[in-house]
Amino acid sequence: RKEVEQDPGPFNVPEGATVAFNCTYSNSASQSFFWYRQDCRKEPKLLMSVYSSGNEDGRFTAQLNRASQYISLLIRDSKLSDSATYLCVVNPGSARQLTFGSGTQLTVLP
Amino acid sequence: DTAVSQTPKYLVTQMGNDKSIKCEQNLGHDTMYWYKQDSKKFLKIMFSYNNKELIINETVPNRFSPKSPDKAHLNLHINSLELGDSAVYFCASSQDGDRLGEKLFFGSGTQLSVL
Repeated sequence: RKEVEQDPGPFNVPEGATVAFNCTYSNSASQSFFWYRQDCRKEPKLLMSVYSSGNEDGRFTAQLNRASQYISLLIRDSKLSDSATYLCVVNPGSARQLTFGSGTQLTVLP
Repeated sequence: DTAVSQTPKYLVTQMGNDKSIKCEQNLGHDTMYWYKQDSKKFLKIMFSYNNKELIINETVPNRFSPKSPDKAHLNLHINSLELGDSAVYFCASSQDGDRLGEKLFFGSGTQLSVL
């Protein structure tokens, strides 16, 4: 089993749609969780951290389910500019141990 | 003003050659990293390095060697390049490396093509 698994997609959604991505992780000792965004041919950039209680940043909502070992990202009112690959990142201990999923590709269509 | 800068952006070379990728960060971070992103888009850490120690990922062939002249620079040297080395290599940095929840700052990547 991969350490971090994501549905690769692609997800093609119309503007304004709501879309959700899930990610599962295998290491139950994982302590912190993130979503990074990577645009085509660009570097990954932190989108948001994922907290145990769930957290929201504008149109983006992240949730963590420790019992089932998955995290999710919900994007509401999708914009064309949301088109990117979303990387689930899990940290079992320190920044040196970050484990990246292979990403979920999102394309928002006009 | 780029926080993490790496050069070159593209590197095309023949099998068997030796090449280097340079990375510099102006964030004052203590820890720097090299990541490899293969054709399947998996980002895998190769090395992390801070003032205190170099951490080598055991799955990385010893043809790859990081060199850090100071904490703001972490270069990657690759000897005897092979076809399978073709990938995008990202440099990154973080404040400390040991704290939970640390944000990684990535360079723009170096696309290496070995012919």
